[in-house]
Amino acid sequence: EVHLVESGGGLIQPGGSLRLSCAGSGFNVSRDFMNWVRQAPGKGLEWVSLVSYLGTTYYADSVKGRFTISRDNSKNMVYLQMDSLRAEDTAVYYCARGRFRGYFDSWGQGTLVTVSS
Amino acid sequence: IVLTQSPGTLSLSPGDRATLSCRASESVSTAYVAWYQQKPGQAPRLLIFGASYRATGIPDRFSGSGSGTQFTLTISRLEPEDFAVYYCQQYGSSPPWTFGQGTKVEIK
Repeated sequence: EVHLVESGGGLIQPGGSLRLSCAGSGFNVSRDFMNWVRQAPGKGLEWVSLVSYLGTTYYADSVKGRFTISRDNSKNMVYLQMDSLRAEDTAVYYCARGRFRGYFDSWGQGTLVTVSS
Repeated sequence: IVLTQSPGTLSLSPGDRATLSCRASESVSTAYVAWYQQKPGQAPRLLIFGASYRATGIPDRFSGSGSGTQFTLTISRLEPEDFAVYYCQQYGSSPPWTFGQGTKVEIK
């Protein structure tokens, strides 16, 4: 059974950095498209970033240059390094497995990031 | 690609038919559209991919259709557990992938 567990969220001041982790089980993160999707409080879903099975990375314009997605195949983990955080980055961040590039068939439970002074 | 969902809220009774619309600002290649259901405090759940293919374990009362710029999710007979927020998503030629703003299906 595919299972994803996020961790690393918390309260951080504007301008600070945070690294989110996503632990995968039941499949190999190296063979799939792994994504981060976020949801601001009371708002809709926003795709954030993707790392393909080839290692190619993509980012939403709203986070480009500030966030970096990576993975560790030996640990079956995916990460999201978030720098220069802003108040508008406050959201629940979900790790999601992408199938056929772009639809998300498995999601973690999410981790809350709050950017506030 | 911008996705616009309508209506924003749908007030229906159990047993009713629900029709949710998702319109794209430009044609979505090869109908690469998915639909998700989200309940409060939970992660989204995949319902439909490729515009019309049901995900594993999804009841057949859920169906998707459409092509080009217009897509529809239909719930043939609403069950109590179907009252939730529904999102469409496109995954066309290349990222960024985008979601619609959501349609809330509430109990009338």
